[in-house]
Amino acid sequence: DVKVTQSSRYLVKRTGEKVFLECVQDMDHENMFWYRQDPGLGLRLIYFSYDVKMKEKGDIPEGYSVSREKKERFSLILESASTNQTSMYLCASSQTGSLSPPTLALVEQYFGPGTRLTVT
Amino acid sequence: GESVGLHLPTLSVQEGDNSIINCAYSNSASDYFIWYKQESGKGPQFIIDIRSNMDKRQGQRVTVLLNKTVKHLSLQIAATQPGDSAVYFCAEIGGTSYGKLTFGQGTILTVHP
Repeated sequence: DVKVTQSSRYLVKRTGEKVFLECVQDMDHENMFWYRQDPGLGLRLIYFSYDVKMKEKGDIPEGYSVSREKKERFSLILESASTNQTSMYLCASSQTGSLSPPTLALVEQYFGPGTRLTVT
Repeated sequence: GESVGLHLPTLSVQEGDNSIINCAYSNSASDYFIWYKQESGKGPQFIIDIRSNMDKRQGQRVTVLLNKTVKHLSLQIAATQPGDSAVYFCAEIGGTSYGKLTFGQGTILTVHP
């Protein structure tokens, strides 16, 4: 079974702190994603990566950055946490589709359990 | 912009009944649709998917129907069980949304014993 793990289930940080959220997947997936989930807004894509050292902005990248130094690990960084970044953060991974040209996301994404971040 | 939405935010059913959860999408170029189930305290879990060249796909107790004419997706759960209680999301991929899943708001399904 695919396993996607996230470093913390619950995290409380102060405004202005630098926050690192770590995600690791064990299935050698090429693609990794970071989402945030908020009531009434559903899941929104922050950043994704389709290869080591590659990253693409999602729908709401402002205030976030990411790092993918190894294939299995994708980190989300809040440079200076703010209260409006209080949310549930979900990491996901997927293989690349087998169609030609490769279509990144025409395959299932596997999600981690989430990190509930509170910024006070 | 492109969006995927749900008609009903909550659905309550009795154990043993069939459940139908609906989803509307606006991107006519969507290629692929997924239903996810999210239980409390967990990340979304894949239930079933369907590609745009199909109009129906069946899994174990679940069926997804796709009506591209009206851009509508539904998830049918047969003989709903208390363990089916969760939030259900539809998601779509395709067209210009390279690499991106667009999620609906979610429907809360509550199954009463």
